[in-house]
Amino acid sequence: DAKTTQPNSMESNEEEPVHLPCNHSTISGTDYIHWYRQLPSQGPEYVIHGLTSNVNNRMASLAIAEDRKSSTLILHRATLRDAAVYYCILRDNWGTGNQFYFGTGTSLTVIP
Amino acid sequence: GAVVSQHPSRVICKSGTSVKIECRSLDFQATTMFWYRQFPKQSLMLMATSNEGSKATYEQGVEKDKFLINHASLTLSTLTVTSAHPEDSSFYICSVGRGRETQYFGPGTRLLVL
Repeated sequence: DAKTTQPNSMESNEEEPVHLPCNHSTISGTDYIHWYRQLPSQGPEYVIHGLTSNVNNRMASLAIAEDRKSSTLILHRATLRDAAVYYCILRDNWGTGNQFYFGTGTSLTVIP
Repeated sequence: GAVVSQHPSRVICKSGTSVKIECRSLDFQATTMFWYRQFPKQSLMLMATSNEGSKATYEQGVEKDKFLINHASLTLSTLTVTSAHPEDSSFYICSVGRGRETQYFGPGTRLLVL
């Protein structure tokens, strides 16, 4: 699976938007982009995923670059409960397995 | 999304004993279940993939005789850490999947081996 690169950490003020970037320059045409977040001592929580078009759900928005070599997870108004490690993962939906290989993720700190 | 539970949530055992961790998919027929391990301050590391009714596929470097995985039904998978040692102390997390759908993760099991 293609590799992703994320900043180790980011900070945001409460109630402000947060843009979490992810680079995936070796992405293949059949790789979906998945975002998960993990709070301390909990399992990862699904946030959003997409292939080519931008996606929105109640938790976040996913903006995918036109060349698909990068994407951005957007939290529209950060709250203290959004403080977590955010993982950007690629998975080939046409491959033989459905495995996720996690990178190091971005640790988001939300400042009150 | 699917609701996934793990039992126990935390366990302490003596070195040399075996520990079984259960992963249940409460409302989702999971054709595939995954087991991960996470050490403090590190990311999740995939240990193995199991498909219902067949043997698990282990990632490179994971000992299949030490980490026994059983996926007997579409809603239950178990991970048994045999002859546990202190270096096996970790946070073990399962996830469930079906076809090309995304994965849904359990809350994790904290294992401490004394």
